Amino acid sequence: AQKVTQAQTEISVVEKEDVTLDCVYETRDTTYYLFWYKQPPSGELVFLIRRNSFDEQNEISGRYSWNFQKSTSSFNFTITASQVVDSAVYFCALSERGKLIFGQGTELSVKP
Amino acid sequence: DGGITQSPKYLFRKEGQNVTLSCEQNLNHDAMYWYRQDPGQGLRLIYYSQIVNDFQKGDIAEGYSVSREKKESFPLTVTSAQKNPTAFYLCASSIDVGGYSTDTQYFGPGTRLTVL
Repeated sequence: AQKVTQAQTEISVVEKEDVTLDCVYETRDTTYYLFWYKQPPSGELVFLIRRNSFDEQNEISGRYSWNFQKSTSSFNFTITASQVVDSAVYFCALSERGKLIFGQGTELSVKP
Repeated sequence: DGGITQSPKYLFRKEGQNVTLSCEQNLNHDAMYWYRQDPGQGLRLIYYSQIVNDFQKGDIAEGYSVSREKKESFPLTVTSAQKNPTAFYLCASSIDVGGYSTDTQYFGPGTRLTVL
């Protein structure tokens, strides 16, 4: 069975600190996709990144970066120089055959 | 603007009543999905549809029903058989280019349902 684990339930940092959100997944498939979504207090899920299992290159987008390590089944997300607007719940998700399996989410609180 | 709309934003229901949540998209996406989110938890799939007039049960379909008469619309009915319907409901859509789509799902703003 597929599973996504986000062990950090809540993280609190002070603005400008770097923060890493962990995601560990389980799957028996060789082809799969991994996602990160952001859920601000308004509730809507905002897509951040999609990565397929054959692409292990790390990705950077502005202050966001993602570290995909197939050997440890992890897909971690780092926010550099965090800002108050980064406060949200972040979800990691695993997709197989069109269905998304979500982790429990990590609530990030960035204090000024 | 292209996107997904859900209405209403807040919905209150008395026990024993059926309610229907609306989801409309103008992204020309083939696939649509309904998820349920409970406090402190991730999203769980209720139903999904990859084509008009066809849909499949997700992980927690009991007590729910859907229809897909138009490509743009995928309403969800929460029936009185759903024992604990108070939750946040999110609709999503994706392009779905094949039978096993792994396209990115884009989400609507959600409907918060409370049973009184």
